Order: sequence, then C-alpha cells, then structure tokens
Amino acid sequence: GDSVTQMEGPVTLSEEAFLTINCTYTATGYPSLFWYVQYPGEGLQLLLKATKADDKGSNKGFEATYRKETTSFHLEKGSVQVSDSAVYFCALSGPNYGQNFVFGPGTRLSVLP
Amino acid sequence: EAGVTQSPTHLIKTRGQQATLRCSPISGHTSVYWYQQALGLGLQFLLWYDEGEERNRGNFPPRFSGRQFPNYSSELNVNALELEDSALYLCASSGGDSSNEQFFGPGTRLTVL
Repeated sequence: GDSVTQMEGPVTLSEEAFLTINCTYTATGYPSLFWYVQYPGEGLQLLLKATKADDKGSNKGFEATYRKETTSFHLEKGSVQVSDSAVYFCALSGPNYGQNFVFGPGTRLSVLP
Repeated sequence: EAGVTQSPTHLIKTRGQQATLRCSPISGHTSVYWYQQALGLGLQFLLWYDEGEERNRGNFPPRFSGRQFPNYSSELNVNALELEDSALYLCASSGGDSSNEQFFGPGTRLTVL
C-alpha cells in the first residue's frame, strides 16, 4: 500500500539556519503530495502542496519540489525563525477523489534564538 | 468562509464510558475524515464518510464508530472507553474545487481517566 517516510527528528536548529526535512513516498499512480504543519496545541494546517511531477509548492518561505524520479518531496527553508517551531507532516493523497490521506510520522522542529 | 469546527474542545471521561465527538465540515464539502493522534505519535486514520456513507475505515476496533448527517456534519462515537483512547481526535473535510486537499479542524482532546 501507499506509504510516506520522513525523518522523525527531533530537529533542533539555531535561528536563521537552513532547514531540510526529508520525505519519500511509495504510491501507485500519481499521488498529490502535501506538507502540513502543527503548531503546539493546534490542529494541522496545510503548508504547501504539489499535484504533479516537477511542481514546486511554496509558502511562508518554505519550498518543496515533487520529484517523481526519486519519489521525494523534501521540505526546505533558507532561514528558519523561532516561530517555525512545530511538527511537520508529509502526506500523500491518492489520485482518486476522496481517498484518505497517508501521513508520515511527523518531524518535530525546534528553533532556538 | 468558516473552517472545520469541532466540539467539544476538551472531553474528560472515565474508563468504560462512551464519548461523542462532533465535526462540522467546510460549507460545500461532502467528505469528512477522522484521525486519532495519540501523544507522541503520528496521525492514524480512523474513518472516512462521504455523502452520508462510510467509505473507508482504519485499523481500529468496532467500538469506534460514527455517522454522517444529511448536512454533512459528522459524529465519532467511542464506546467502552479505555485509557489508551486518550488522544487528540482530528476531523478534516474535503470536496468542492479542492477535492484532493483536506482541511483540518482544531481537534477534540479526549482524556480517559
């Protein structure tokens, strides 16, 4: 079945450091790929998405590129802030409407001032 | 546009009792998903409802059940509560133009004593 693997962390960085959180997937067909963020005590918020190969999703300085050849969707940010401290989830949804998402285990990011 | 809403925010029950959690999707969305997020763990898919019918179910015992009403709101019922049912329960909805994207509510924190 479909699956998502991501580095589990925790990841601890200093403010303004470069961030990479790796995400790879296994899926049949051509899934859509997502990054969700969960701030402390809150639900999940969509951070960015990509629906086809070579698409780049971007939001709030975060970027991720859908790489079909390596089945990856790594999350990057050039300069993290303390306010980026959260748990980040990589996810995929199947090509058919309404299929439940498959989430990775989440990566906890702590950014120190 | 109102987002996904969930009630109650917090729920405290004792072992053996029943819990009922409620979710209202975004207007125009017909699919509702339920996830369990236990402390320190990722999201586990529970149930998917669409157009009033259960479409898919995760690997949970039958005491986890639910339903979707004609207005597309949904209830999650957990019978014979056990201590390990303590978790954050997240509801998400999808549909309309963003049919392959899930929008999450803030969650219900269930504590079983």
